[in-house]
Amino acid sequence: AQSVTQPDIHITVSEGASLELRCNYSYGATPYLFWYVQSPGQGLQLLLKYFSGDTLVQGIKGFEAEFKRSQSSFNLRKPSVHWSDAAEYFCAVGGLTGNQFYFGTGTSLTVIP
Amino acid sequence: GAVVSQHPSRVICKSGTSVKIECRSLDFQATTMFWYRQFPKQSLMLMATSNEGSKATYEQGVEKDKFLINHASLTLSTLTVTSAHPEDSSFYICSASTRGLGNRAYEQYFGPGTRLTVT
Repeated sequence: AQSVTQPDIHITVSEGASLELRCNYSYGATPYLFWYVQSPGQGLQLLLKYFSGDTLVQGIKGFEAEFKRSQSSFNLRKPSVHWSDAAEYFCAVGGLTGNQFYFGTGTSLTVIP
Repeated sequence: GAVVSQHPSRVICKSGTSVKIECRSLDFQATTMFWYRQFPKQSLMLMATSNEGSKATYEQGVEKDKFLINHASLTLSTLTVTSAHPEDSSFYICSASTRGLGNRAYEQYFGPGTRLTVT
């Protein structure tokens, strides 16, 4: 069965520190992986996506993610966090055969000065 | 590109009334639109999937007679919450799906959400 796990419900980091948000997936076919960010009271904004090719993908706002097939992971990273990065982050997996997405439960990021 | 709008962004209604929420893809045609519900500090819960010109497919536990979905065109889907009750108060988000450029996979683009409060 398809599923996405985000093990960390909440993460707190200091401004300027590095960040890694974890995402593990279970998907029976070739996965297409996404990271979205949601600010309070807002919709979801696409940060980056992976379909194929280079397993390290670059996104907006200085984020990157690395696809590791052997670990079924697609972790999101940022070398230096800004206070404006505080938000909810969702990992999602979709596919070629259908257009339904499966979302993780989200990771809430708090950035302290 | 790939902008999805929702209207209204915020609505307050009285218990027993109906509320319609519109979801539009502004610069692309969406093969499918999705409606999600999100409770505070929780993930998105898929309510239904709608394809233009056909009946929506509802997820288990979602009352199709209460949450009416109409997908009249490739750029517009509406969600009507009928006979709303306070427990229907929530954040409703739509997304529009289309194949991404240069690849065969589907991508979803999300609207900004609608905050519904039923008093």
